[in-house]
Amino acid sequence: GESVGLHLPTLSVQEGDNSIINCAYSNSASDYFIWYKQESGKGPQFIIDIRSNMDKRQGQRVTVLLNKTVKHLSLQIAATQPGDSAVYFCAENRNSGAGSYQLTFGKGTKLSVIP
Amino acid sequence: DTGVSQDPRHKITKRGQNVTFRCDPISEHNRLYWYRQTLGQGPEFLTYFQNEAQLEKSRLLSDRFSAERPKGSFSTLEIQRTEQGDSAMYLCASSGRETQYFGPGTRLLVL
Repeated sequence: GESVGLHLPTLSVQEGDNSIINCAYSNSASDYFIWYKQESGKGPQFIIDIRSNMDKRQGQRVTVLLNKTVKHLSLQIAATQPGDSAVYFCAENRNSGAGSYQLTFGKGTKLSVIP
Repeated sequence: DTGVSQDPRHKITKRGQNVTFRCDPISEHNRLYWYRQTLGQGPEFLTYFQNEAQLEKSRLLSDRFSAERPKGSFSTLEIQRTEQGDSAMYLCASSGRETQYFGPGTRLLVL
């Protein structure tokens, strides 16, 4: 079936190191992808997005890479800080015909930053 | 704070009771979405409004669930005859175009 998933459920990194969180998707028709950060007890927080006509996009300390050939998405966080500790979700945004752009989420990767 | 707000933040109810949640989207956003999230999982789409029109419903939205957005601004999600399996975080999001911004969620516990 069509799904968005993540390779690793947990990731521990040392403070100051770079983090890479991976995501695989299976719907080749998806044209828009979003990374969200979710802290315990809170709603998902938008981090960065990328359209399918791009292969890289950079934000503040974050970079998203999209490889459409292998249907792979990654989120790179530079100089990881304790405040980056959270669960990270990639989401696939489909224009469903009704124009709803409903999001399909993976299960998430829990990032733990070691001080 | 001009983000998405949800009320209440927490709700404990007994099985069989009805509950209603409210979502206030970002004011200029015409699209509003409801999702459900269970522990350890990503959010799952429930339904979507464009202005006051409910344009899409997931098969997860059983006939015990109803959502409204009467004036195209705030929305309510009602669950009738709650079951223990309804225990989850109910998330609301809004968007102007594709990018959805989420509220803090309402955590429901059905005893």
